Amino acid sequence: QKEVEQDPGPLSVPEGAIVSLNCTYSNSAFQYFMWYRQYSRKGPELLMYTYSSGNKEDGRFTAQVDKSSKYISLFIRDSQPSDSATYLCASGEVEGGKLIFGQGTELSVKP
Amino acid sequence: DAGITQSPRHKVTETGTPVTLRCHQTENHRYMYWYRQDPGHGLRLIHYSYGVKDTDKGEVSDGYSVSRSKTEDFLLTLESATSSQTSVYFCATRTGAGGKEQYFGPGTRLTVT
Repeated sequence: QKEVEQDPGPLSVPEGAIVSLNCTYSNSAFQYFMWYRQYSRKGPELLMYTYSSGNKEDGRFTAQVDKSSKYISLFIRDSQPSDSATYLCASGEVEGGKLIFGQGTELSVKP
Repeated sequence: DAGITQSPRHKVTETGTPVTLRCHQTENHRYMYWYRQDPGHGLRLIHYSYGVKDTDKGEVSDGYSVSRSKTEDFLLTLESATSSQTSVYFCATRTGAGGKEQYFGPGTRLTVT
């Protein structure tokens, strides 16, 4: 079992929809959580990060962490075609510098 | 954008030849990482560095070596390239000042024939 699991999709939604992207993790020592966005043939771009349970909002994006169930979510409101990309979740321990990445979910937002 | 460049951006090489990929950063970040990205596997850590001349292995380090003689440069070497090392290679950096966020370069697409 991978330490961070993510449904690879692909996920296709109409423009304006609310998108929910999800990951689960197995290591209780993971204390920080990140979401990256990766456009085709580009490097991953840090979208959001959080070190605690609860919600963190940034514009149309909300990151949610539930440590009790080891569940990580990213919500995208009013999705746009420009949001079409692969979204990667990542988690890591407080000590050490390693991040463990999920497989990535490919999202397509249709006009 | 942490001022990360990777070279070359694309490379085709033959099985058995040595290959060196370069990562260069301008932000004076302490930590540097090499990942490979393959379909169905996501990003996997190859090696990382926590300072000049300080490196450690990641999840998929077999067949790879690294060196860091200056803060700004982190080299990844495939001693004898194999077809299984065909992949997209990403370099990332982290400040080391408490933040855990990693910032990625544009990637190098390597094909071993």
